[in-house]
Amino acid sequence: NAGVTQTPKFRILKIGQSMTLQCTQDMNHNYMYWYRQDPGMGLKLIYYSVGAGITDKGEVPNGYNVSRSTTEDFPLRLELAAPSQTSVYFCASREETQYFGPGTRLLVL
Amino acid sequence: KNEVEQSPQNLTAQEGEFITINCSYSVGISALHWLQQHPGGGIVSLFMLSSGKKKHGRLIATINIQEKHSSLHITASHPRDSAVYICAVMRPGNQFYFGTGTSLTVIP
Repeated sequence: NAGVTQTPKFRILKIGQSMTLQCTQDMNHNYMYWYRQDPGMGLKLIYYSVGAGITDKGEVPNGYNVSRSTTEDFPLRLELAAPSQTSVYFCASREETQYFGPGTRLLVL
Repeated sequence: KNEVEQSPQNLTAQEGEFITINCSYSVGISALHWLQQHPGGGIVSLFMLSSGKKKHGRLIATINIQEKHSSLHITASHPRDSAVYICAVMRPGNQFYFGTGTSLTVIP
């Protein structure tokens, strides 16, 4: 099993650009999560999903969108990138224990 | 105010010492998770607790639901235990809230 994979590992965006962060898991988990981690701050939940076709907002959803068309995939979309979205993004899936992807480092300039 | 507070923020220990990291939370939860974040950034789940105590190797996690408090203990600490330890609470409805982490350095 590959576990949770994320692409890309690192990306630089210009203000106003859009991009999609990809997340895939091969453990057939129903629950999937997107978090951001800023220096000195705890992880913050952006969006989560309890199964294919079902998504819900977390603590910090503004500026992001998600979809969950399959159990395996949970992409995170940034429509108009802003410097405040510079962060490290982690995807995770779980049944009981959470499994985290390796993270995507995003820099918005 | 954060829903999850951890202490201490930073901890330096000599190899072999017994270590305790504390987590207090202010909301109703359905479970509490302890995570380890390595210097390279990867995050690994150590424990999920909804009551009592769990042990895995040199790591022990306890939770007191009435007092809204959990502790992570490391016995016979080793330099490879150096990492950031993060407490996370799962609220009913599957949302997670995280502490800011405890940075542990174990010196040989």
